[in-house]
Amino acid sequence: GAVVSQHPSRVICKSGTSVKIECRSLDFQATTMFWYRQFPKQSLMLMATSNEGSKATYEQGVEKDKFLINHASLTLSTLTVTSAHPEDSSFYICSATPTGTSNQPQHFGDGTRLSIL
Amino acid sequence: DQQVKQNSPSLSVQEGRISILNCDYTNSMFDYFLWYKKYPAEGPTFLISISSIKDKNEDGRFTVFLNKSAKHLSLHIVPSQPGDSAVYFCAASAYNNNDMRFGAGTRLTVKP
Repeated sequence: GAVVSQHPSRVICKSGTSVKIECRSLDFQATTMFWYRQFPKQSLMLMATSNEGSKATYEQGVEKDKFLINHASLTLSTLTVTSAHPEDSSFYICSATPTGTSNQPQHFGDGTRLSIL
Repeated sequence: DQQVKQNSPSLSVQEGRISILNCDYTNSMFDYFLWYKKYPAEGPTFLISISSIKDKNEDGRFTVFLNKSAKHLSLHIVPSQPGDSAVYFCAASAYNNNDMRFGAGTRLTVKP
């Protein structure tokens, strides 16, 4: 089945650090990938849609200069949390759907637990 | 703007009995509905889906029911097993996957 790999699984760093999270589709190509954020005991909130070869589409209230997304190839999207602060601490998850499919489930990575001290 | 709601944060069921997880939505444009299962510190795993042209979809112990008029769907697990203990998320999208909305999740505990 379709596999999405997300790395790293956990990051602990000081306030002001920039953190890069990678999302890879291992056995399929994904023109579009999605980045979610989950706060404790809350739902998965879509942050942005990452589009290969073009700019990401951000959801309302998500700062594009804070959360930089790059989708340089059909199998890799990266999310960089710039100058992270404690309020950015959260669980970040990416997902992808094989290119050319519709009404198919998204496949999720295992998430990245980001803790900013 | 919560377009997908799971009003029960938790559910506890005895092993062997039926688990029923509920989900309501407000957007009448949604036409594809999914259930995901999530363990701690892992990403959600797809469980079962249903398109709006159907009112029931069954896969082994898992059945999803869709009531479009009530904008309600439910996931039935029977018989429930301890390994089913996890957080279950309901999700919905319109036309394609590009705008999938998730409920807040229901934590299911199946007691031996």
